[in-house]
Formats: sequence, C-alpha cells, structure tokens
Amino acid sequence: AQSVTQLDSQVPVFEEAPVELRCNYSSSVSVYLFWYVQYPNQGLQLLLKYLSGSTLVKGINGFEAEFNKSQTSFHLRKPSVHISDTAEYFCAVSDRGGSNYKLTFGKGTLLTVNP
Amino acid sequence: DTGVSQDPRHKITKRGQNVTFRCDPISEHNRLYWYRQTLGQGPEFLTYFQNEAQLEKSRLLSDRFSAERPKGSFSTLEIQRTEQGDSAMYLCASSPSMGNTIYFGEGSWLTVV
Repeated sequence: AQSVTQLDSQVPVFEEAPVELRCNYSSSVSVYLFWYVQYPNQGLQLLLKYLSGSTLVKGINGFEAEFNKSQTSFHLRKPSVHISDTAEYFCAVSDRGGSNYKLTFGKGTLLTVNP
Repeated sequence: DTGVSQDPRHKITKRGQNVTFRCDPISEHNRLYWYRQTLGQGPEFLTYFQNEAQLEKSRLLSDRFSAERPKGSFSTLEIQRTEQGDSAMYLCASSPSMGNTIYFGEGSWLTVV
C-alpha cells in the first residue's frame, strides 16, 4: 500500500516570491512520482514526473522537483511565482513494478499567489 | 492528440435517479481509469481498464456503480439510485500501453439534490 502526505493544505505567497510545496510518500515498493496541477473547475494537468535518473526534474511553467529517497520526499519548487500559478497542486505516486500505473494522490496544496 | 474528453461536464440530478458519464480517451491509449474527487480531497482511484477488460475495481465502487468499455475505446460510468454522497467530480484518464504517465480529462461534476 502507498500513501502520500502533502504537509501544507494552503500556501499563500506574494507574486515573484519563491515557493516550495512539500510532499512525502510512504511505500513498501519502488515508486514513480508525479506532480499535477488543477485549475478551478478543471481536470488535472501533469507538471512533472520522476521515473529514474537525475533526482532533480524540471517541468512545465518553470517548476522543478527533487526526489530524495532517504527522506521519501518529492518537494515542488518554483523560484518566482506568478498570479497565474494560483491553483491546487497534487503530489502522486504509482507502483514502479505494477502493471497498471494507477496513482495514489495526496490531498492537495492550494497555492494562492497574491499581488 | 485531442486529449481525454468527458461528457457531460456538469450534471445535476435528483436523489434516486440514474446518471451516466462518458469518457473518450486519447486515441490508441489502451489503459483507461476512473477516479472520483470530492471537495478538498485528492482524486481517488475507482477502476481500471486495459482495452475492454476491467482489471481492477476499488472498494469505493459500490454495487450501484458500473463501468464499461465495450470496444476498448470509450468508456461509460453509470451510477444507479444516486445518493447525496455521490456528489463529486468524476475524472477519466488514459495512458498508453508502454507508458507510465496518466493523462486526465476535464472531469464531470455530479451534484445530487
């Protein structure tokens, strides 16, 4: 069984400030890691993913995340946020050895960027 | 790719009525998933198809829920005798046979009154 904990339910920041959204996971098997973004009343859009290789992965819209196996974390970062980054962000894992790649999600972090 | 398409986007129904949602996955994606998302929560897995075969169902999928993918292309999710607790967004997603990334549709909002 897998679980994902997003440590902050809400993160308010000012425009052009840096931001970090925290994600920790628990799993008895190796996992793939994902961050999705959800804008109001919309579905989920993939931001970035970690499958293997370099632990620092870059995604769309200037976001990046770092996989830390020892701390079982996959925190999302952006050096300078924009108003348009206001959205809900979900961290998710899937079983690396599974056959269906189904995702287990955290409860989400609402990022609010203020002018 | 035109993306994962879901219909209808919004549905308001009276308690006890049946509703059906349709999902058209990305062309040639043989894996299809249904998730449910309630307010303030992350999406929760409901069921998974590989081609036309339904290979996994969550305990969340009660007997009132049924999903089909008759020809391995589009899928339907039917909820019978809806209850207020069924109010949620139902998300469909798909992935290719050799891929490990899941692509989501815009979701179908259900409100049971």
